[in-house]
Amino acid sequence: EPEVTQTPSHQVTQMGQEVILRCVPISNHLYFYWYRQILGQKVEFLVSFYNNEISEKSEIFDDQFSVERPDGSNFTLKIRSTKLEDSAMYFCASSVRVSGLKKETQYFGPGTRLLVL
Amino acid sequence: GQNIDQPTEMTATEGAIVQINCTYQTSGFNGLFWYQQHAGEAPTFLSYNVLDGLEEKGRFSSFLSRSKGYSYLLLKELQMKDSASYLCAVRDRRNTDKLIFGTGTRLQVFP
Repeated sequence: EPEVTQTPSHQVTQMGQEVILRCVPISNHLYFYWYRQILGQKVEFLVSFYNNEISEKSEIFDDQFSVERPDGSNFTLKIRSTKLEDSAMYFCASSVRVSGLKKETQYFGPGTRLLVL
Repeated sequence: GQNIDQPTEMTATEGAIVQINCTYQTSGFNGLFWYQQHAGEAPTFLSYNVLDGLEEKGRFSSFLSRSKGYSYLLLKELQMKDSASYLCAVRDRRNTDKLIFGTGTRLQVFP
């Protein structure tokens, strides 16, 4: 069964450094998302992306964050200058957005655990 | 504001049935999802309800009552591998893809 993949699985960085988290969505999916989950807390929406532009973003997704689909398969999340509070598990998800209930389901990747020191 | 409530923890015995409840207060409603999340792993899709009633899928069923802002996930014939967190998530309007998650219910299944 097709899966969303993410790299790296773990990343440790120093505060103030830039990080890029990478995702390969399921190949026929058109909508892409980033969520994060701080340890012990709920999963939180960051951003959705469709047709090469952001379709929605949360208040968490400030100017430090950006997303890009640099080619036909990858979808990236960049954090420009990391802060301690950015430490979390970052999940990429994708979906096919057509009429029909099940196909609106978002399928999640395994996540990248980011630790900012 | 948007609020989704679930019990924090539940325990059950192998072979038993467990019901995990979720109540939501959101500005609108356009679908409710249940995900399973094993520790340190990605949420995996279990079920989706947008109309009132019961959706059955093998050992798992999910129920929705929109008038009550209430859903439950029913797990039958529990197995040890069902020990995980179960996340309730709501999409609060038609023209959004954002899922609003509850804090999740951590289920422990004992032999």
